[in-house]
Amino acid sequence: DGGITQSPKYLFRKEGQNVTLSCEQNLNHDAMYWYRQDPGQGLRLIYYSQIVNDFQKGDIAEGYSVSREKKESFPLTVTSAQKNPTAFYLCASSKSPGVGNTGELFFGEGSRLTVL
Amino acid sequence: QKEVEQNSGPLSVPEGAIASLNCTYSDRGSQSFFWYRQYSGKSPELIMFIYSNGDKEDGRFTAQLNKASQYVSLLIRDSQPSDSATYLCAVVTNTGNQFYFGTGTSLTVIP
Repeated sequence: DGGITQSPKYLFRKEGQNVTLSCEQNLNHDAMYWYRQDPGQGLRLIYYSQIVNDFQKGDIAEGYSVSREKKESFPLTVTSAQKNPTAFYLCASSKSPGVGNTGELFFGEGSRLTVL
Repeated sequence: QKEVEQNSGPLSVPEGAIASLNCTYSDRGSQSFFWYRQYSGKSPELIMFIYSNGDKEDGRFTAQLNKASQYVSLLIRDSQPSDSATYLCAVVTNTGNQFYFGTGTSLTVIP
C-alpha cells in the first residue's frame, strides 16, 4: 500500500532536548511538507521540500530543522530553540498538478509531541 | 492579512439538513482549492478539490468556487452525524507549490 508513514505517533520530550520526527513516503512524490497544528487552529507550514537536497522555510521555521537526502524521507528535528514545541505534527507529500492528478496533499497520521 | 479565512464555528445542523461551510482567500492568483475533513486527533483527509469557477458535485458534497469574489464554499447535503468534524479549506497560491490552510470550521451534526 502506498502512503506516508510518520513515527513515532506519540513522543514525550524534556525541555532542552532535541527530538527527530520521521516521515517516509512511498508515493514517489517530489514535494514533502511539515505542518504544525495547535488545538483549535489550522495547519501552519514549518518547512517544505520540492526536490532532493533542497528545502525552504515555511511560516514558522524557527527552532526546527530538516533534511532531504532521499526522495522518500523528510525528517524534522525539533530543537531546544523551539520555545513551545508541544503540538501535533503532520507530514505531507504531493505530486505536482498535471494530467491525471490533482496535486492534492496526502498526509501521514501525525506525531503528537509533548514537552514535559 | 491571513491568506485563507474561515469561520471557526462551531456550526451545528440537524441530521438531514444542508451544512454550508465558507472560505475566503487573499491571493487573487490562486489556482487550486481543496476541502479537507479532519476528525479529532486524526490527520486531514481530502473531501473535494476544485479549480474552475462554478459548482462541482461529488455525492452529498458540492464545492463552489467564485474567483471574482475570492470565495470557495462546501455544501454537505443530507448531513449525517458521521460528518461531524473540522473542515479545513486549503488554497494553492500562484507563487509556488505552497498550500495555505484556514483555521477550520467545526461542524456538529445533531441526530
